[in-house]
Amino acid sequence: NAGVTQTPKFQVLKTGQSMTLQCAQDMNHEYMSWYRQDPGMGLRLIHYSVGAGITDQGEVPNGYNVSRSTTEDFPLRLLSAAPSQTSVYFCASSTGGGGSNQPQHFGDGTRLSIL
Amino acid sequence: AQKVTQAQTEISVVEKEDVTLDCVYETRDTTYYLFWYKQPPSGELVFLIRRNSFDEQNEISGRYSWNFQKSTSSFNFTITASQVVDSAVYFCALSEGVYNNNDMRFGAGTRLTVKP
Repeated sequence: NAGVTQTPKFQVLKTGQSMTLQCAQDMNHEYMSWYRQDPGMGLRLIHYSVGAGITDQGEVPNGYNVSRSTTEDFPLRLLSAAPSQTSVYFCASSTGGGGSNQPQHFGDGTRLSIL
Repeated sequence: AQKVTQAQTEISVVEKEDVTLDCVYETRDTTYYLFWYKQPPSGELVFLIRRNSFDEQNEISGRYSWNFQKSTSSFNFTITASQVVDSAVYFCALSEGVYNNNDMRFGAGTRLTVKP
């Protein structure tokens, strides 16, 4: 099993550009989430999904969109990149019946720089 | 809203020393879950333990042990006889069971350096 796969691993964008961070899991997990990690701030939840077709906002959703058309995939879209979105992004998944109350499996992260 | 505080930003110890990482949480919920995750220098996040609010028993797993005390809202993590491979950033996290299900909050993390 690959677990949670994130692509790309690194990306540099210019301010105002848009892009999509990809996340896929092969564990048939219902719950998926996106976090950003910034120095001194731990991980902060951006958006999450409890199943296909269902998404909701986390702690820091502004500037990001998500969709969940399949159980496996949960892409994160930056609509108009800003330097404040420079961060390391992690995707995670866990089994259903408790969402974030279950241990989460994390991808390896995407390091994103906005110039 | 729930909150997790890890007051120790960085800790440095010499190999074989014992070290305790502190975690203090705030929640209005009576049902909640506490976690510890490890982030080694390679960057991935590794799940270590989950504890629910109704189980205050301490847990030991090899050199790792966890002390959960509801009276002080703390969930501290102790590494006994530390090793260089324990060097990592450790995160404590809280997920509320009723009011904010699916919203997990992480502490800022404690960077542990174990010197040989």
